[in-house]
Amino acid sequence: AQKVTQAQTEISVVEKEDVTLDCVYETRDTTYYLFWYKQPPSGELVFLIRRNSFDEQNEISGRYSWNFQKSTSSFNFTITASQVVDSAVYFCALSNFGGATNKLIFGTGTLLAVQP
Amino acid sequence: DTGVSQDPRHKITKRGQNVTFRCDPISEHNRLYWYRQTLGQGPEFLTYFQNEAQLEKSRLLSDRFSAERPKGSFSTLEIQRTEQGDSAMYLCASSFNGQNQETQYFGPGTRLLVL
Repeated sequence: AQKVTQAQTEISVVEKEDVTLDCVYETRDTTYYLFWYKQPPSGELVFLIRRNSFDEQNEISGRYSWNFQKSTSSFNFTITASQVVDSAVYFCALSNFGGATNKLIFGTGTLLAVQP
Repeated sequence: DTGVSQDPRHKITKRGQNVTFRCDPISEHNRLYWYRQTLGQGPEFLTYFQNEAQLEKSRLLSDRFSAERPKGSFSTLEIQRTEQGDSAMYLCASSFNGQNQETQYFGPGTRLLVL
C-alpha cells in the first residue's frame, strides 16, 4: 500500500527563519513520483515540484529546496529566509509511475505560519 | 494559459437535496481527476477519467455519487440525496498523459456545506 506521512501538523516561525517540512513515504513500486503542493487560505492547491524516483538530485528554486533520499524514503522541503506569504498548508504527495491512473496519495499536510 | 476552473465555488444545500459540480480542465489535458478534502486532511482520490472514459473509482465514491466527462472535455460530479458527511471541498485536477507530463494541476475547488 502507498502512504505519505507528514508528522509535523503545525510549524510556526518568525520571518527570515529557515524551516524544513518533513515528508516520509511508503510504496512497493520501484518507480514513482513525489510532489509538493502549497494550499494557501484561498484553498487552491498550487503545484511546487515533482521528482521522479530515479532522480535523486536535490533541487533548488529560489528560496525553496528539496532533499530526496531514497534510502530513508524521505522528500523534505526547506524554505530559506521564510516570508509571511509562505504561510499556507503544504502537502507532500506520491503517485505511481507509468501506471493506469497516477492518482495522488497525499499526506495530512503541514500548516506553516510565518509571523512578521 | 487558462487553468482548471470549477463551478460553483461554494454550495450550501439541505440534506437530501441533489447537487452537481462542474470542472473545466486545462484545454489540452486528457486526464481529469476528482478529489475530496475534509477539514484538516489531505485530498483523497475519488475518480479518474482518461478522455471520456471513467477508468477508476474509489471506494469512497458511494452509489450516491456519479461523475461524467462527456466528449472528454468538462466533467460533472453529482451527489444525490446529500448527507451532512458529504460536506467537504471537492477538488478537480487535470494532467496530460505524456512523457514527463504527469503533473496534476488543481482548480480552486467547490466547497460544499450540507445542512
